[in-house]
Amino acid sequence: NAGVTQTPKFQVLKTGQSMTLQCAQDMNHEYMSWYRQDPGMGLRLIHYSVGAGITDQGEVPNGYNVSRSTTEDFPLRLLSAAPSQTSVYFCASSYSGQGPWGYGYTFGSGTRLTVV
Amino acid sequence: TQLLEQSPQFLSIQEGENLTVYCNSSSVFSSLQWYRQEPGEGPVLLVTVVTGGEVKKLKRLTFQFGDARKDSSLHITAAQPGDTGLYLCASSRYSTLTFGKGTMLLVSP
Repeated sequence: NAGVTQTPKFQVLKTGQSMTLQCAQDMNHEYMSWYRQDPGMGLRLIHYSVGAGITDQGEVPNGYNVSRSTTEDFPLRLLSAAPSQTSVYFCASSYSGQGPWGYGYTFGSGTRLTVV
Repeated sequence: TQLLEQSPQFLSIQEGENLTVYCNSSSVFSSLQWYRQEPGEGPVLLVTVVTGGEVKKLKRLTFQFGDARKDSSLHITAAQPGDTGLYLCASSRYSTLTFGKGTMLLVSP
């Protein structure tokens, strides 16, 4: 059972380049999310999905796109990388249901992105 | 967006000491989750608390949810170096989590 797999683990981009951060889960979780973690800012929600074909914006969506064509995969696309997007990115997934209380999330081990 | 405040921001203690970290909000939590994050890894769920006044224990860790569901605490008894990490509280509402900024705990041998 692999859980949540993120690739790559490290990436250096030049300003203006585009790239896709991959996220895959094998737990048949309906909910998937992308967070970025910055010093002093904590974990902030970028985009999330409640199921295949359904996505929505989080707290800091600008400069990022997502799509969810399958239950398993939830890639995050950086359209034109900027130094402000230097961060550690985490993908997470969870079962749905349980009303507003939610289930716990399983996180990937992160992608450390540097934009120069 | 619900704002979560965690305190202290940083805690450095010796092995064997006890400690408590706090998570507070100005509004009521639907539920609260506690995570621990080790360097280079993603957060790992420790516990979910839902009911006001709830107490949950996980070995040497005791989690309390305030009666009014606006605060929570994590108490660690006889801390060990393996407890070192970033402790995060998160408010859960349906499909999203809102995190506090965390308490960084360093336990020295």
